[in-house]
Amino acid sequence: EAGVAQSPRYKIIEKRQSVAFWCNPISGHATLYWYQQILGQGPKLLIQFQNNGVVDDSQLPKDRFSAERLKGVDSTLKIQPAKLEDSAVYLCATEGESANEQFFGPGTRLTVL
Amino acid sequence: GQQLNQSPQSMFIQEGEDVSMNCTSSSIFNTWLWYKQDPGEGPVLLIALYKAGELTSNGRLTAQFGITRKDSFLNISASIPSDVGIYFCAGQLEIQGAQKLVFGQGTRLTINP
Repeated sequence: EAGVAQSPRYKIIEKRQSVAFWCNPISGHATLYWYQQILGQGPKLLIQFQNNGVVDDSQLPKDRFSAERLKGVDSTLKIQPAKLEDSAVYLCATEGESANEQFFGPGTRLTVL
Repeated sequence: GQQLNQSPQSMFIQEGEDVSMNCTSSSIFNTWLWYKQDPGEGPVLLIALYKAGELTSNGRLTAQFGITRKDSFLNISASIPSDVGIYFCAGQLEIQGAQKLVFGQGTRLTINP
C-alpha cells in the first residue's frame, strides 16, 4: 500500500512570497490533517478535513494560510504572503475510517529568507 | 490549550543501555501514542495506548498509559543503533466530534556504539 505522498520535499522562498504544498493521501482515507513542525518542536495541527469538509481549522492563521480538499482526495496548503516564522516542516497525515492511526507523509521543509 | 511536557529533551547513551522517557499533562487524554521520527521523514507510530493503566509492549518497546490519564512513559530495552531518532508522545482527545492529537516537544535519542 502506498503511503502519504507530499511535494515538493523542499522549498526556499523569500518573505512575502507565496508557496503551495500538495498532499496525496493513502487511498480511501477520508480524514486528512496538515501539521506545522517548527525545528525542535512536535507537530502542531493546522487543519483537519473529513472528506472535502473542514472539521477543525481553529489553529490555522487564516490571514495568510489557506487549505482545500476539493474532491475529498488530494489537498493543498497555501501560504500567502510568507513570513520568516513560517519556516518549518509541513506534514500531511491521513486516517482511515476504521483505524485509529494517523499515517504521516515525509513533509515539505519550507525555508523563508 | 492542551500541552504535553516531554522529558528528557535529549539523551546520549551507549548501545545496549535501556532508555526511559515520559510525558505529562494537566489535561486528560483518551489515548496516548508514541511516535518515532527519523531525519527527513514524518513520524511513525510505535505504540498506541487506549485504556488508563494499560501496559503495552512492541518488541523492545514498552509503554504505559497513566492511571490518571494525564501521563505516559516509553521504555526501550537494550538499545541498538537504529533506535536513534526523535521520539514524540501524543495525547488524543475528542473536541467537537473530531479526534485531535497534541504532541510533546520530543526526546532526541543519540546512541554511542
